[in-house]
This record gives sequence, structure tokens and C-alpha cells, in this order.
Amino acid sequence: NAGVTQTPKFQVLKTGQSMTLQCAQDMNHEYMSWYRQDPGMGLRLIHYSVGAGITDQGEVPNGYNVSRSTTEDFPLRLLSAAPSQTSVYFCASSYSGTNEKLFFGSGTQLSVL
Amino acid sequence: GEDVEQSLFLSVREGDSSVINCTYTDSSSTYLYWYKQEPGAGLQLLTYIFSNMDMKQDQRLTVLLNKKDKHLSLRIADTQTGDSAIYFCAESIYNNNDMRFGAGTRLTVKP
Repeated sequence: NAGVTQTPKFQVLKTGQSMTLQCAQDMNHEYMSWYRQDPGMGLRLIHYSVGAGITDQGEVPNGYNVSRSTTEDFPLRLLSAAPSQTSVYFCASSYSGTNEKLFFGSGTQLSVL
Repeated sequence: GEDVEQSLFLSVREGDSSVINCTYTDSSSTYLYWYKQEPGAGLQLLTYIFSNMDMKQDQRLTVLLNKKDKHLSLRIADTQTGDSAIYFCAESIYNNNDMRFGAGTRLTVKP
């Protein structure tokens, strides 16, 4: 059982570069989400999806895009990376939402220089 | 995460009990959670409590909920070195689409 798989584990970008963080789950979960984790702060929701073809913004969506073309995949795109996006990014999923257990990926550590 | 508050550090000796405290602000929260994060890993659900409960016990873990004061605590009995990690308190927002996390309490267990 792979659970929630995130790639890459580490990434260094230069300001202005774009990239996609990958997230895949094999549990047939409808709900998927992206969080960022910054020192001294709790995880903050960037975007979420309640099913294929449906996405919505979370607390801190600026500078990020998402799409959900399949149930399994929920990539996060940084369009033009900024140093303020240096963070650890976590993908999470559950059967239907946050009123039940969230399964987390192991995270992507992103540095923007 | 700013609506959920936790102290950042806790240090205990092996075999002692650990108590991690959390305050939250949304009275409409339906579930409250405790997650554990070990170094280099994602968060793992430890336990949770439904908002109409006062207490939940699960082996070495005891969760206490005081809805009036919006206070949640996690007690770990007989704390072991393997319990060293960051513990996050989280509340599920009423619309089921967001979860608010505290900043995490780093628990250090000394032998």
C-alpha cells in the first residue's frame, strides 16, 4: 500500500522558475489537498479538491495552481517561484474531507533562491 | 494555523507523563485531532475526538476536551524516547474542507 506519494523530496529553484510538485494516492480518495509548513506556524491550506475536475482555494493560494484530472493525482504548480515560497509542502488525502482521517505524504522541501 | 495555539516545546524524562495543550477558537469545529510528525516524515494521525465528547482514551493516549474554554490536551502516559516528535493539534472546520493546525509542540524525551 503506497498511500500518498509525493515527488520530489527536495528541490532548489531560482526566483522566477516554474515547477510542479507531484502528488498521487492509491486509496481512491475523493478529497485531496496541499499544505505548506513554515517554521513556527501550523500547516496552512493552499488548495484542495473534493473530486476529479473540482478544485478550490484554501487559505494561501496566491502563486500556486492546481488541477485534478484524475482521482489519483493532484499536482501543485508554482508559476513563478519566489523566495517566500521556500517551505515544506505536504499533500494529504481522505475519503471525503477533513471530518475524517487525513493521510499525508512525506513532504517536499522546496528552497527558492 | 493562527487560530490554534500550542506551546512550542516540551521536555520530559522517559517514563514520565507528557501533557501537550492546545487552544482553538472555532466553536463550530466538529472534530479535533492530534497528529504526530517524526523527522523527515509527513504527519500521522494519533487520535481524534468528536466535539460532543469530553474525553477519549486510547492505550497510552488520553485526550481531554473542554468545549467551554476551547481547550484540548493530549496526555501520553509512560513517555518513551520513541515518542520524541512534533505534535500538532488540529480542528476540522465546519465545511469539511479545511483543517486548522497549531504550530506544533516539539516533545523531547530524555533517557
